[in-house]
Amino acid sequence: KAGVTQTPRYLIKTRGQQVTLSCSPISGHRSVSWYQQTPGQGLQFLFEYFSETQRNKGNFPGRFSGRQFSNSRSEMNVSTLELGDSALYLCASSSDRFSEQYFGPGTRLTVT
Amino acid sequence: DQQVKQNSPSLSVQEGRISILNCDYTNSMFDYFLWYKKYPAEGPTFLISISSIKDKNEDGRFTVFLNKSAKHLSLHIVPSQPGDSAVYFCAASGGNFNKFYFGSGTKLNVKP
Repeated sequence: KAGVTQTPRYLIKTRGQQVTLSCSPISGHRSVSWYQQTPGQGLQFLFEYFSETQRNKGNFPGRFSGRQFSNSRSEMNVSTLELGDSALYLCASSSDRFSEQYFGPGTRLTVT
Repeated sequence: DQQVKQNSPSLSVQEGRISILNCDYTNSMFDYFLWYKKYPAEGPTFLISISSIKDKNEDGRFTVFLNKSAKHLSLHIVPSQPGDSAVYFCAASGGNFNKFYFGSGTKLNVKP
């Protein structure tokens, strides 16, 4: 079974630009969650999608948004990038509640 | 608001000995807990989970203990191996589906 894939793996953007990150979950998994990892902060929950609906949301500004398609693939968008948005963005998929989440390798975003 | 805390940023253990990684949480609604291992440049890898109806779960060399009254869980690795050297994250969820709160991680170094 193929794992969670994320594209692109690395990205460099300029302040004020916007960016879209993509995540393909494990086949059959309907839940996709996004996390931001910064040094010393651990993983911060962004949002979770299940069957194309946002089911949970973390404490991030509205510049961070996402969506999920009918094939469970998910995209995350960050608009008006700030320097502080530089981080590793991780996507995780699971079949549902009380199921472990499987993580992709992440997208390393650098904002200059 | 850090609802899940890993107070030891690093731990060094001799090969063959026991590694004990600790995690504390504040939210009594949490009912599902997981441990992940993370190598540099990779996404976290699921290790072991425990639900609040249990106080212990074992999988090979890995055992997770849950003390609900103390809001504390721990991961025991016996015997520790150099390949176990990585950053370990604990995560917790409850109430909301699949909204996980992660600790800041403990870097384990197993010396040969």
